[in-house]
Amino acid sequence: GAVVSQHPSRVICKSGTSVKIECRSLDFQATTMFWYRQFPKQSLMLMATSNEGSKATYEQGVEKDKFLINHASLTLSTLTVTSAHPEDSSFYICSATPGQGVLPDTQYFGPGTRLTVL
Amino acid sequence: AQSVTQPDIHITVSEGASLELRCNYSYGATPYLFWYVQSPGQGLQLLLKYFSGDTLVQGIKGFEAEFKRSQSSFNLRKPSVHWSDAAEYFCAVGVIGYSTLTFGKGTMLLVSP
Repeated sequence: GAVVSQHPSRVICKSGTSVKIECRSLDFQATTMFWYRQFPKQSLMLMATSNEGSKATYEQGVEKDKFLINHASLTLSTLTVTSAHPEDSSFYICSATPGQGVLPDTQYFGPGTRLTVL
Repeated sequence: AQSVTQPDIHITVSEGASLELRCNYSYGATPYLFWYVQSPGQGLQLLLKYFSGDTLVQGIKGFEAEFKRSQSSFNLRKPSVHWSDAAEYFCAVGVIGYSTLTFGKGTMLLVSP
């Protein structure tokens, strides 16, 4: 149980284009989803927290207009990197939790998406 | 604010030998503690977690961790390492009232034959 999928697993795009990454909880309802960014050989950097039906909460320094997050249903969240540039190339990982945000519930992670911007 | 320190960036262990990965946290109250493992190019898999109760927690793949409040530690252990355990290991802490986790920088485990 507690499986989270991400699509696509790998994407290459040209500079200036937008890329959408999907994160789905397959066997549970995800009240809260998280988006992380991971640079090579580094830890995870939390970008934003999203709750179903409400606006995402972005971490300090993350541009909300560049990284659009939509959590339209209890099983789907999307991250859209708008007008991508080479510096946006990274490994993006989502996670999901059935928690209500009161307790730090277990996060279940997707397999990640490798974004390369040329 | 809470923080997590994993003092070892890399650790090399011989196959069959025992393993201990260190994790220290900083937080005033009782934390919620997690260990995750990440294989190259993959997401993170939960190994075990501590919320309350018995301070020695058992996880998957033969791993265990012990919460020591006096030392602010939550070290991960395995009695006999297998080559397939080679991966990056992340310790994370959560605090009540917040859904977010704070991750350590990770420890890369290398397993030698």
